[in-house]
Amino acid sequence: ETGVTQSPTHLIKTRGQQVTLRCSSQSGHNTVSWYQQALGQGPQFIFQYYREEENGRGNFPPRFSGLQFPNYSSELNVNALELDDSALYLCASSLVGHTGGYTFGSGTRLTVV
Amino acid sequence: GESVGLHLPTLSVQEGDNSIINCAYSNSASDYFIWYKQESGKGPQFIIDIRSNMDKRQGQRVTVLLNKTVKHLSLQIAATQPGDSAVYFCAEKFQGGSEKLVFGKGTKLTVNP
Repeated sequence: ETGVTQSPTHLIKTRGQQVTLRCSSQSGHNTVSWYQQALGQGPQFIFQYYREEENGRGNFPPRFSGLQFPNYSSELNVNALELDDSALYLCASSLVGHTGGYTFGSGTRLTVV
Repeated sequence: GESVGLHLPTLSVQEGDNSIINCAYSNSASDYFIWYKQESGKGPQFIIDIRSNMDKRQGQRVTVLLNKTVKHLSLQIAATQPGDSAVYFCAEKFQGGSEKLVFGKGTKLTVNP
């Protein structure tokens, strides 16, 4: 059984640019969530996708958007990058309605300069 | 409001001692509470969870206690080992809707040999 994989592992972007992060869900999972983790902080919920549609969103502006594909993989897109977007971006997959936790990937470390 | 916090940002113990990590939460409507372990450069790893209708759950070397009266959650690690050194997060999970996780800031556990 494969876990959650994210790519790339590290990324450096310039303020104002756009970035796309990718995630492959754990086999058998149909829900993908994205979290932003600033240095020294706990992860903050960005949004969740189920059946290729957004299924809940945290307190993040519209320039944070996502996609879920039929194979349950997902993308996180961030437009007009700001310095404060520098963080570890975590993808987590789960099976909707299944009690218990999520399976997290190792994250993408985004640095905006 | 929704918030999950931790009492202590750091905890240092001797190898072989028992560790107790505490967490306070504010939303009495949460259905699940989950403890995660996060090692440097990795995503959060599920340790144990507990339903809101339980007050104690045991796993291998770990025990989670839930006190709903004072909205307090704790993680006990028996015979702490150097490999237990990591940041530990508690998280609330809301059933239904997006089932997002609300994380606290984390406690850094250091196990001294």
